[in-house]
Order: sequence, then structure tokens, then C-alpha cells
Amino acid sequence: GQQLNQSPQSMFIQEGEDVSMNCTSSSIFNTWLWYKQDPGEGPVLLIALYKAGELTSNGRLTAQFGITRKDSFLNISASIPSDVGIYFCAGYNAGNNRKLIWGLGTSLAVNP
Amino acid sequence: EPEVTQTPSHQVTQMGQEVILRCVPISNHLYFYWYRQILGQKVEFLVSFYNNEISEKSEIFDDQFSVERPDGSNFTLKIRSTKLEDSAMYFCASRKQGLEQPQHFGDGTRLSIL
Repeated sequence: GQQLNQSPQSMFIQEGEDVSMNCTSSSIFNTWLWYKQDPGEGPVLLIALYKAGELTSNGRLTAQFGITRKDSFLNISASIPSDVGIYFCAGYNAGNNRKLIWGLGTSLAVNP
Repeated sequence: EPEVTQTPSHQVTQMGQEVILRCVPISNHLYFYWYRQILGQKVEFLVSFYNNEISEKSEIFDDQFSVERPDGSNFTLKIRSTKLEDSAMYFCASRKQGLEQPQHFGDGTRLSIL
């Protein structure tokens, strides 16, 4: 099935550094969602984006809905050890507003 | 804050046995989902459910799988005759009515088939 291209696949950074990850698609999306998954737990919604160009923050997290509607990025500023986990992008594309399409995830490791 | 709850957290079953995974979606949500995640891999869509019927299912969701909303609060996934490759985390999710509302996930059931 369709999936989003998410990059990078993994990141290993020092505490305090900023992080950026992104998702791209070959088709237009109406909604972009960013989730975080800790080991042994379910994905937790971080940010939801509904309009092209929208920039939304949640604490140290900022995400943007790309103008072309084919991409989104997530930034984490001043990373801390509890930011460790897998970050997934997901979205509803213009052709199907019932089924979420998922990226493969970005695994983030933070060195204290 | 309301959340999706799943039971059990871990299920160990012999191959060939039936298993039922249970979910209680958020109370005012109307769309329900099951996903599977094999260890270290991506989240895979299994099935979506709305208005007491399946609205979409993936190729993974074959005749061995079924879903049911037996009452006003529970949403179950049944695997009739489990196989080794069914071992995975199974996540339930729900969302509100309305276009493209985000899905909210439970903490999953780890299914181990022996």
C-alpha cells in the first residue's frame, strides 16, 4: 500500500541540539499528523496540521504543512533525553479521508 | 484526558488457537481501527470500522480476522486460528466524526504465538 517517505531513518544527537525530520509524498495530502512512539507503547499524537502552510507548535515541537501539500516537517528544539523514541508522520491524502497513510518512522536517540 | 484502553497488555497463545483482543475506544468517537506492528517495523493498517460495519480493510485482514462491536463500548479483534507470523503488537485507535480527524491510539496488546 501507499506509504510516506520519512527521513532520516534514524538520528543520534547530543542533548540540547535541535532536530529536524520530514515526510514527503507523491500525492496531495489534506492532513498531516505527527506521532511519537515510546517502546512498548502506542503512538501518541503530537501535532495535527490541516491547512497548507500551517505552522503549529506544541512546546519545543514545531511542525509545518508544506505549501505544495506533499510534505511536512517536524522540528524539535533543545532536545532532552525524554525526546528519545520513534517519530512517525501520517496523513490523509486527498483521495481517501478514512485511511491514515504512515511513514516508516524516524528513530531518535539523545546522548545526555 | 480520555484515552483508548486495550486489554490484555500481553497475550501468549499456542499456534492454531483463537485469540480475542479487546479495546475500549474513546466514548464519543465513531470510527475505530486496528493496526499491527511487528517488532521494529512500521505501523500496518488492518481494518477500519464505522456504523457497525467494516469500512476498509487491508490485504493482511484475511478470513482469519474479524472485528466486532458487541456493545456500546467495546471493539474487538478476533484471530480464528493464529499463526506464528501473527506475533506482533496490535493497536486499536479511534477518532471523532469529521473529516480527517486525528486517530488516538491505545497502548497495544503484545501477541506472542508459540
